[in-house]
Amino acid sequence: NAGVTQTPKFQVLKTGQSMTLQCAQDMNHEYMSWYRQDPGMGLRLIHYSVGAGITDQGEVPNGYNVSRSTTEDFPLRLLSAAPSQTSVYFCASSPRGGPPQSQQFFGPGTRLTVL
Amino acid sequence: GEDVEQSLFLSVREGDSSVINCTYTDSSSTYLYWYKQEPGAGLQLLTYIFSNMDMKQDQRLTVLLNKKDKHLSLRIADTQTGDSAIYFCAERTPGNTPLVFGKGTRLSVIA
Repeated sequence: NAGVTQTPKFQVLKTGQSMTLQCAQDMNHEYMSWYRQDPGMGLRLIHYSVGAGITDQGEVPNGYNVSRSTTEDFPLRLLSAAPSQTSVYFCASSPRGGPPQSQQFFGPGTRLTVL
Repeated sequence: GEDVEQSLFLSVREGDSSVINCTYTDSSSTYLYWYKQEPGAGLQLLTYIFSNMDMKQDQRLTVLLNKKDKHLSLRIADTQTGDSAIYFCAERTPGNTPLVFGKGTRLSVIA
């Protein structure tokens, strides 16, 4: 199993550009989430999904869109990048149920800089 | 609402014990987790505890839970330089909700 994969690892955008961060998992997990990590702020939830076709907003959803057309993929779209979106983005997945099954598996992260 | 609080920094000498503390506010939390993040990497689950337990030990790690005070701690015995990382406390509440994370405690181990 590759686990949770994220692409790209690094990205530099100009203000106003759009892009999609890719996330895929091969563990047949139902739950997937996107977090951003900023210094001193910890992890903040952007959007999450409890299954294909179902998404919901987290703590900081503005400026981001998601979709979940398959169990495996959960892309995060930045509609019009802003410098405030400079951050490290983590995708995570977990199966339904209690621990250890419910532990979240994290991808390696995407470091995004918006100029 | 849900809120998880941690101190931001902890510095210990190699061989000493480290204690990282966490408080949470949601009394309906079902599971509480400790994750470790090494530089440039994603988060890795260290251990977890069910909310009806007081203590869990796993090799050098001891988790203590005081449910009355909503206080969770992680003790690392014989701390090594390889333990230097950011440690996140997280809680799960009932239902289809993702984990809520604290801001993380940066542990520095001095040789």
